[in-house]
Amino acid sequence: EAQVTQNPRYLITVTGKKLTVTCSQNMNHEYMSWYRQDPGLGLRQIYYSMNVEVTDKGDVPEGYKVSRKEKRNFPLILESPSPNQTSLYFCASSSAGAGKETQYFGPGTRLLVL
Amino acid sequence: SQQGEEDPQALSIQEGENATMNCSYKTSINNLQWYRQNSGRGLVHLILIRSNEREKHSGRLRVTLDTSKKSSSLLITASRAADTASYFCATGPKGGSEKLVFGKGTKLTVNP
Repeated sequence: EAQVTQNPRYLITVTGKKLTVTCSQNMNHEYMSWYRQDPGLGLRQIYYSMNVEVTDKGDVPEGYKVSRKEKRNFPLILESPSPNQTSLYFCASSSAGAGKETQYFGPGTRLLVL
Repeated sequence: SQQGEEDPQALSIQEGENATMNCSYKTSINNLQWYRQNSGRGLVHLILIRSNEREKHSGRLRVTLDTSKKSSSLLITASRAADTASYFCATGPKGGSEKLVFGKGTKLTVNP
C-alpha cells in the first residue's frame, strides 16, 4: 500500500531534550516536505527536499534540522525543543515534474514540549 | 508565507445541501489543489486544477478557477455527514515547483 509513515505519532518531551521524528515513504517520490499545523495558522512549511542530499528551508525553519540521506526517508530533528514547537507535524511527499504535484501526507505527529 | 485564503472560515449546513468554499490567492500559479482533513489527521488530496483550466469535476466535487480574479471555489453537492472536515486550498507557484502554499482552511460541518 502506497503510504507515508511517521513515528512517533504522539510525543511529550521537555525543553532542550533532542528528538527526531521519522518520515518514510514507499512511493519512490523525489519531493518530501515537513509542515507544522497550528490553530488559526494553517499549515506552514518547515523544510523540503527535492531529492537525496538536496534540502532547503521553508517558511518556518528556525529550530529545526532535516537530512535526506536516502530517497525514502526524511527525518525532522529538533536539537533543543522549546514550548513554541508544540504543534501537529506532517510529512508529505510527491513525485517531481508536471502532472505529479499531488502531495501525499503522513498521519501526523502530535508533539508537546513542556 | 500564506498564499491561499479560504472563505468562509467555518460553514455549517444540513445534510443534502450544497457547500461552497472559496479560496483567494495573491501570485501567479501553476496549479491549485484542494485537500481535505478530518480532525487531527493527515490531509488527503481531492482535486487539482491547472492554471489553464476553468472548471473540473470529480464525483460530487466541482472546482472552478478564475485566474483573472485569483480565486477558486470548491462546491460539494448533496453533502453528507461524512463530508464534515476542514478543507484547504493549496497553490503551486508558477515555474512548476513542487512547493505548495496552503491556506488556513474552511471548517465544514454537515449536520445529519
